[in-house]
Formats: sequence, C-alpha cells, structure tokens
Amino acid sequence: DAGITQSPRHKVTETGTPVTLRCHQTENHRYMYWYRQDPGHGLRLIHYSYGVKDTDKGEVSDGYSVSRSKTEDFLLTLESATSSQTSVYFCAITRDSNTDTQYFGPGTRLTVL
Amino acid sequence: QKEVEQDPGPLSVPEGAIVSLNCTYSNSAFQYFMWYRQYSRKGPELLMYTYSSGNKEDGRFTAQVDKSSKYISLFIRDSQPSDSATYLCALKTNAGGTSYGKLTFGQGTILTVHP
Repeated sequence: DAGITQSPRHKVTETGTPVTLRCHQTENHRYMYWYRQDPGHGLRLIHYSYGVKDTDKGEVSDGYSVSRSKTEDFLLTLESATSSQTSVYFCAITRDSNTDTQYFGPGTRLTVL
Repeated sequence: QKEVEQDPGPLSVPEGAIVSLNCTYSNSAFQYFMWYRQYSRKGPELLMYTYSSGNKEDGRFTAQVDKSSKYISLFIRDSQPSDSATYLCALKTNAGGTSYGKLTFGQGTILTVHP
C-alpha cells in the first residue's frame, strides 16, 4: 500500500537469532500495528502503538517486543527467534480516525529454521 | 470458541455467479464491521466498512450486517476472475482509549472465480 513500507520483505534466519522487522509510514499517522498471519488463524495482533514511545500488547505478544522512537517507524523484534514464529508479518496504520479503519503494508515473510 | 467464525472454504464459482461470504460472531460489543480482500502474497486491502445493521452497497459489492443474529455477509454480484482472493471479515468494539483500533479478524475465505 502506498505510504507503508516494510523491510525486509523476505528473511530466512536460524533458531535463536535476533530479528528486527521495520515498518515505515510516510503519512504521520498516530496508530500503528503489527500482525502475524498463519493458516487457520487469520490475522492476529502482536503489538500496537498509539504514539511515539506508547505501545501495548496484542493477543499474541509473547516472544516479541516493539519500539517506536519516531512517528514514522515501528519496529518489531524477535529477541530469540523460534520456528513457531515462522509467519507472514503485516504492519498496519489507522488512516481515518473517524472510521478507525486500518490499512496494511505489503508484508514480511519470515522463515525460522 | 473463537470470537469470529468464518468458513475458510475454499469456494469455487463460475464467472458471473453471485458469491456470498459470511462471518458469525459471539461478542455483542462488536459495533464496526469491515471486509478486506487479500490477493496472494499481498497485504489485505479494505473493501467495505459498515457501522450499523442493514445493507451497504458499493458497485458489485454489498455488505450486510445483522446484529440481532450476530451475522455479517459480503455479496459479490457478477463475479469476475479478478475477484479471486481471500476475503477476511474484521470486527471492532466501540472501546476507546488504548483499545482504539484493535480489530478481530475471521480466518478468511479463499474464493476462486473461474472463467
């Protein structure tokens, strides 16, 4: 989606290594989200942010941490990657505060061997 | 029991057919209802947004909400091969504060429209 980029787009790593995924927005929106998508589970919220240095946990936050030091960047870190964290990760923003609808980035495909 | 149930399909229909996609939910606090379309290896894109019970139409797409039955639907008329994608319902409560924007998704229905 225009205005939201994620990096890297693909990553293969080994169990036990740290991994950081980056979400970057160019539109200065306050709310940002990290989801993971797995077969049979749909999209599940990992963490979200409601401002610089303001973050909170979602439903599947164990094993993940986040940071937001600038409005435009929201980082997701896997401190010690496990095979169960193999997934597709999506970042999202709330673009319209009236409807509270979310818009998604292109995703990062992460494989943990 | 999941808060939102969506039949994963897959659903295969011929071009021109009317498609009906559905989600049921258990939490009566859900007040906002959305449908997203996701093409293979892409991010979800917002298709429809509704707030109240009733129907909302946008071109070939109609979103329907029945809060009394806790049931939402997306209808696609005159379906096209380009409609082949995964369709996800997403629901949100009216909670404010730090719960702002938190969506609960169905697991998605895979739709294929064949020529």
